[in-house]
Amino acid sequence: NAGVTQTPKFQVLKTGQSMTLQCAQDMNHNSMYWYRQDPGMGLRLIYYSASEGTTDKGEVPNGYNVSRLNKREFSLRLESAAPSQTSVYFCASSEAQVGDEQYFGPGTRLTVT
Amino acid sequence: LAKTTQPISMDSYEGQEVNITCSHNNIATNDYITWYQQFPSQGPRFIIQGYKTKVTNEVASLFIPADRKSSTLSLPRVSLSDTAVYYCLVGTGGFKTIFGAGTRLFVKA
Repeated sequence: NAGVTQTPKFQVLKTGQSMTLQCAQDMNHNSMYWYRQDPGMGLRLIYYSASEGTTDKGEVPNGYNVSRLNKREFSLRLESAAPSQTSVYFCASSEAQVGDEQYFGPGTRLTVT
Repeated sequence: LAKTTQPISMDSYEGQEVNITCSHNNIATNDYITWYQQFPSQGPRFIIQGYKTKVTNEVASLFIPADRKSSTLSLPRVSLSDTAVYYCLVGTGGFKTIFGAGTRLFVKA
């Protein structure tokens, strides 16, 4: 039982390049989330998926797109990376939305130059 | 969404009890109070959750007064490995989870 896994662990992009961050969970959770964490700050919600087949914007969705590929997988895409997107990205999952604890992945450290 | 206020940082020594208080004056009737712990270069980890009164698990205790406008996370006998950032969250969970800046706890030998 690996929990929540994320790939890659590290990535360096040039401004304007695109990439997809992958996330998978093996806990049969319904809800999945993408957060970003800037240095010294708390986490901010980018997008979430309440259940398979649905996605919704969080607090900071601009510049990102997501795909809930199936119940296990939730990917985050940067179409045209910008230096302001330099951050650590965390994926999380929970069994349901209301009241449930979230389980977090190890994070992807992204640098955009 | 209820806003939370907690100290930016705290220092303690090994073996001491640490209490971190969080203020949430505009907590709603349906809101839970949840605490997460985050070590450097790792994702947050759930510690404890409560609605009212006192909750205790193998890691911590959570004290919530009757008016629910604040809560206190209590860590008994901390060790160096408890050095981390602790987040207080108030809400119904899921997409309504808001992480503030948290409290940085430094445990010294």
